[in-house]
Amino acid sequence: AQSVSQHNHHVILSEAASLELGCNYSYGGTVNLFWYVQYPGQHLQLLLKYFSGDPLVKGIKGFEAEFIKSKFSFNLRKPSVQWSDTAEYFCAVNGGSQGNLIFGKGTKLSVKP
Amino acid sequence: DGGITQSPKYLFRKEGQNVTLSCEQNLNHDAMYWYRQDPGQGLRLIYYSQIVNDFQKGDIAEGYSVSREKKESFPLTVTSAQKNPTAFYLCASSISTIYGYTFGSGTRLTVV
Repeated sequence: AQSVSQHNHHVILSEAASLELGCNYSYGGTVNLFWYVQYPGQHLQLLLKYFSGDPLVKGIKGFEAEFIKSKFSFNLRKPSVQWSDTAEYFCAVNGGSQGNLIFGKGTKLSVKP
Repeated sequence: DGGITQSPKYLFRKEGQNVTLSCEQNLNHDAMYWYRQDPGQGLRLIYYSQIVNDFQKGDIAEGYSVSREKKESFPLTVTSAQKNPTAFYLCASSISTIYGYTFGSGTRLTVV
């Protein structure tokens, strides 16, 4: 069965620090990959997605992610975080015949002003 | 504006009562989903429907039921058989999973 692992449960950073959130998936075929963000009290919003082509994907609010097929990874990055980036981040993968998105357990990011 | 509407935002029920959570979308999406979100456990799939009058169990369907009589609507009933119903419930829809999902704002259910 497919699975998605997010290695960090809670990350605490100061403003202007760089961010990298890890995401690994287990599926050997063609995949579509997603990062969602959930700001406090709000619904999940799509940050970015990968279908094919350039493995470096740029999303909203300065976020980017790199798909490394050999490592089954899709890590999320941002060069300089802001207090407003405080949120929970979810990685998701779609692959295989069923086609539903499989979500990781999420990483809570707290940015100190 | 197109989107997904979940209602109510907060719901309180007594133990042993069934309760129905509403999910309506005007995005003309064929597929709809219900997830349960608990702290530290991410999103777990309860039920999904790819087309009207058809739905499938997800990973944690026990104690829940759904219907899909209309394309726009996918209500979730939390029955008294669900052992731990207090949670945050999210509804989503998609035109195709390769594009990802659109989520509603969720319903927080508290059973006392």
